Amino acid sequence: AQTVTQSQPEMSVQEAETVTLSCTYDTSESDYYLFWYKQPPSRQMILVIRQEAYKQQNATENRFSVNFQKAAKSFSLKISDSQLGDAAMYFCAYRSAEGGSEKLVFGKGTKLTVNP
Amino acid sequence: KAGVTQTPRYLIKTRGQQVTLSCSPISGHRSVSWYQQTPGQGLQFLFEYFSETQRNKGNFPGRFSGRQFSNSRSEMNVSTLELGDSALYLCASSLVPSGGNTGELFFGEGSRLTVL
Repeated sequence: AQTVTQSQPEMSVQEAETVTLSCTYDTSESDYYLFWYKQPPSRQMILVIRQEAYKQQNATENRFSVNFQKAAKSFSLKISDSQLGDAAMYFCAYRSAEGGSEKLVFGKGTKLTVNP
Repeated sequence: KAGVTQTPRYLIKTRGQQVTLSCSPISGHRSVSWYQQTPGQGLQFLFEYFSETQRNKGNFPGRFSGRQFSNSRSEMNVSTLELGDSALYLCASSLVPSGGNTGELFFGEGSRLTVL
């Protein structure tokens, strides 16, 4: 079974600075997808960024980028120019590319605080 | 375009009772998944449905059940409630089962169940 580990329960960053959230995963599959989701307090979870395992190029979405190291099974999220609105729980998630299932395996999350 | 709608948003039940939660996916989305979120266990996959068929089921007891209707709306039911069932129940929808693509899951705001 696949597992996702987020080793940082909490992180903090100063507004306008850069922060990196860590995620490692374990799988025996070669084809899969990785995601970072953001869950603001009392609000719905939204997709931040996604990465297909077969792509070597790291995904980027505006201020958000990932460092995907397939051999190391590592998938970190970098947030540049942090904003107050970035404060939220961030979840790393894995989905198999086999079988067509929508099932996501989530890490326990990292609570990000942005200090003004 | 309306998002994923979950009802009720909050509810309180007592042990031994049963509860039904509803999820209306985004218009046109045919795949619906359910997750349980608790502080201790994090986000755990419950089940997913496509075209009224359960495609996958998580590791939960038989007290947890679900179904999907022809209009893609989904319900989940928990019978004989236990204190440990207190959680935020999240529903997510996507356009089609992912298969080889990276279909995005869109989450609702959740139904917060408290069992006394």
